[in-house]
Amino acid sequence: KAGVTQTPRYLIKTRGQQVTLSCSPISGHRSVSWYQQTPGQGLQFLFEYFSETQRNKGNFPGRFSGRQFSNSRSEMNVSTLELGDSALYLCASSPWGVADTEAFFGQGTRLTVV
Amino acid sequence: DAKTTQPTSMDCAEGRAANLPCNHSTISGNEYVYWYRQIHSQGPQYIIHGLKNNETNEMASLIITEDRKSSTLILPHATLRDTAVYYCIVRPDYAGNMLTFGGGTRLMVKP
Repeated sequence: KAGVTQTPRYLIKTRGQQVTLSCSPISGHRSVSWYQQTPGQGLQFLFEYFSETQRNKGNFPGRFSGRQFSNSRSEMNVSTLELGDSALYLCASSPWGVADTEAFFGQGTRLTVV
Repeated sequence: DAKTTQPTSMDCAEGRAANLPCNHSTISGNEYVYWYRQIHSQGPQYIIHGLKNNETNEMASLIITEDRKSSTLILPHATLRDTAVYYCIVRPDYAGNMLTFGGGTRLMVKP
């Protein structure tokens, strides 16, 4: 069974640009969450999607958005990139989200903003 | 979610048991204790979780105190591959796939 796949693995963008990251969950999983990891702030929850609906949202500005498709694949978008958005972005999936015992994480996308 | 407190770093000799403590004194009755670890440059990996009883699986054991205000993750025979950051997380089951990570404990297993 394939794991969580995130693409691309590495990305370099310029300040002011926008970026879209992709996450393909484990087959059959309907909940997808996104996290940002930086040396200063650690691992922070961005948002969770379930059945194409955002179910939970972390404390991030509106420049960070996401969506989920009918096949459970998810994308997150960051607009007007800032240097501080440089981070490892992780995606996690689980069957239902609620009451699941385990979230499965991908390898992440490392975004560098210059 | 309840806040957790963990030591910043710990060392352990290879082959010995690694005991990683976590304080969660404000935990409420419907919150579970979860442990994840993150090996360098990888996504976090689930280890174990529990509510109030001690739990054991192929990776580790979880000991939760009777008052549930603290817990200990035990890796019975640590190997070099167990070197990682270990996160103790408290979350209610209804929280969805939403985990609140603290700073974690950086465990260094030494030969």
